[in-house]
Amino acid sequence: RKEVEQDPGPFNVPEGATVAFNCTYSNSASQSFFWYRQDCRKEPKLLMSVYSSGNEDGRFTAQLNRASQYISLLIRDSKLSDSATYLCVVKYAGGTSYGKLTFGQGTILTVHP
Amino acid sequence: EPEVTQTPSHQVTQMGQEVILRCVPISNHLYFYWYRQILGQKVEFLVSFYNNEISEKSEIFDDQFSVERPDGSNFTLKIRSTKLEDSAMYFCASSGPQEKAQYFGPGTRLLVL
Repeated sequence: RKEVEQDPGPFNVPEGATVAFNCTYSNSASQSFFWYRQDCRKEPKLLMSVYSSGNEDGRFTAQLNRASQYISLLIRDSKLSDSATYLCVVKYAGGTSYGKLTFGQGTILTVHP
Repeated sequence: EPEVTQTPSHQVTQMGQEVILRCVPISNHLYFYWYRQILGQKVEFLVSFYNNEISEKSEIFDDQFSVERPDGSNFTLKIRSTKLEDSAMYFCASSGPQEKAQYFGPGTRLLVL
């Protein structure tokens, strides 16, 4: 089983649409969770951290279900500029302050006019 | 806004040659990382570095690879005797003492011929 698994898409949606991405992770000891976005041939950029209580940042809402080892990202009112690959990322720190990030394959989103 | 910087942006080398990839992490960050992304594949962890020593490395990070923090600002990845399969985008990342997320540089695209 892959450590972090995402639906690769692609998702093609019109501007203004709501789109949801899902992700599952296999290591139950994982401690921190993130969504990053990656534009073509660019570096991953932090979109948002994901907290157990769920969190929102503008049009973006992230949810975490530790029992099901499941993470989601909801994008409302999609913009053309939201077109990117969305990376589900998990960190297991093993009690340290640092720890490697484990990336999913990414979900490709294209928002069209 | 502080950023991670990397040089060079592109590097072309002949198989068997040594390359050094350079990174300047965000200035108050204490934890440093290298990741790579082969074209069309997911981002993979190589190594983490803290307090002037390697804290964790992946199975990819074998004796061909080494990291160094030669001064107070630079963090380098050396790849000895490069192979065709080392062709990838190499990302440096850093994180602060209270940060759980990691911040990525723009990457060095390495092509081994």
